[in-house]
Amino acid sequence: QSALTQPASVSESPGQSITISCTGTSSDVGNYNLVSWYQQHPGKAPKLMIYEVNKRPSGVSNRFSGSKSGSTASLTISGLQAEDEADYYCCSYAGSGNLLFGGGTKLTVL
Amino acid sequence: EVQLLESGGGLVQPGGSLRLSCAASGFTFSSYAMSWVRQAPGKGLEWVSIISGRGGSTYYADSVKGRFTTSRDSSKNTLYLQMNNLRTEDTAVYYCAKDYLVCPDCYYWYFDLWGRGTLVTVSS
Repeated sequence: QSALTQPASVSESPGQSITISCTGTSSDVGNYNLVSWYQQHPGKAPKLMIYEVNKRPSGVSNRFSGSKSGSTASLTISGLQAEDEADYYCCSYAGSGNLLFGGGTKLTVL
Repeated sequence: EVQLLESGGGLVQPGGSLRLSCAASGFTFSSYAMSWVRQAPGKGLEWVSIISGRGGSTYYADSVKGRFTTSRDSSKNTLYLQMNNLRTEDTAVYYCAKDYLVCPDCYYWYFDLWGRGTLVTVSS
């Protein structure tokens, strides 16, 4: 199966909001609510930001939110801060014991 | 301290083998499914495998099926990845990762704790 589709890069100014899309198919994103999002700073391990489409783990800022419509999931970051600049990856269960990641989106905070 | 620490990476020739280890501490190891996720240099994340908390079931990505084997030893709180018949495209940083929620015999498919990774380079 192919990776989920994300924009390669997005950019926005501090204090603004931005939404990163993640497009899958009816076999993965469209069929399961097991969509998660990870933040990865250069040289660091990924960090779980959103799970089960729209739930935040303890300790993650409420500026991060997730949603899903059909086969497309989205991560929204409001009130952008400099430390939000990172790579973001979506992830979805795809059935039959298979997990897919998106190609990643580089967020630049201008 | 809750942490995962990978080891065992290094340089190996194509067709060779390598075994990675992931030492877990600070949580009840056998209560959580564990995964391996890799990241080729400058590339995105790729899921490799998952094993249930009790070790009774495993799943693998198609790209490694038949070549890689995931296992765990709860007496040592350690996760393993045996990699055989390695290819140049297996070159990556390999992370071990812990399922977010407790479930010894199931999977949640999202990971709240990651190690720092270990680099595997497959080259002649």
